[in-house]
Amino acid sequence: DAGVTQSPTHLIKTRGQQVTLRCSPKSGHDTVSWYQQALGQGPQFIFQYYEEEERQRGNFPDRFSGHQFPNYSSELNVNALLLGDSALYLCASSLEGQGAGKAFFGQGTRLTVV
Amino acid sequence: AQSVTQPDIHITVSEGASLELRCNYSYGATPYLFWYVQSPGQGLQLLLKYFSGDTLVQGIKGFEAEFKRSQSSFNLRKPSVHWSDAAEYFCAVGGLTSGTYKYIFGTGTRLKVLA
Repeated sequence: DAGVTQSPTHLIKTRGQQVTLRCSPKSGHDTVSWYQQALGQGPQFIFQYYEEEERQRGNFPDRFSGHQFPNYSSELNVNALLLGDSALYLCASSLEGQGAGKAFFGQGTRLTVV
Repeated sequence: AQSVTQPDIHITVSEGASLELRCNYSYGATPYLFWYVQSPGQGLQLLLKYFSGDTLVQGIKGFEAEFKRSQSSFNLRKPSVHWSDAAEYFCAVGGLTSGTYKYIFGTGTRLKVLA
């Protein structure tokens, strides 16, 4: 049983460009959350998707957007990249209603903006 | 406001020595508390969690943590550290907000183990 898979593992983009990160949740999970982990910081909640809708959003600008597909996989899009967007982006999946502490994290995508 | 504080950015211990990583939280209700470990270039691995009941919880890899409501703390301990424990450790509080379950993480403590 594959866990949470994220792609790509690393990528480098230039300021002003746009990027798309992908996440496949653990089998049986229907909820996907995205976190940004800047260097030397803990992960910060970006947003969560359930039933293909954004359910809640953290303190991130509209440049950050997402999507969830019918198969529960998800994409995180970041437009007009800034140097400060360089971070490890983590995806976490869970099953709605399953309760606390049941989220599984992926290995992350390391984004470097130059 | 909900928050998690890990006052120690770096900790260095000798292999075989005991370890305690500190975590303090601020949360409006009874918190769900977690400790995660992250090795370089890796994602987060759950070490242990506290929901209710016994305030001393056991986790994987020989770790344990104690919930102290009066001190708003959830410190992580290990009696004898192994070189493979070198990693970054994150304390987190989890809760349901507006129908969404999410985690709030501390800034992490980087553990170095001396041979």
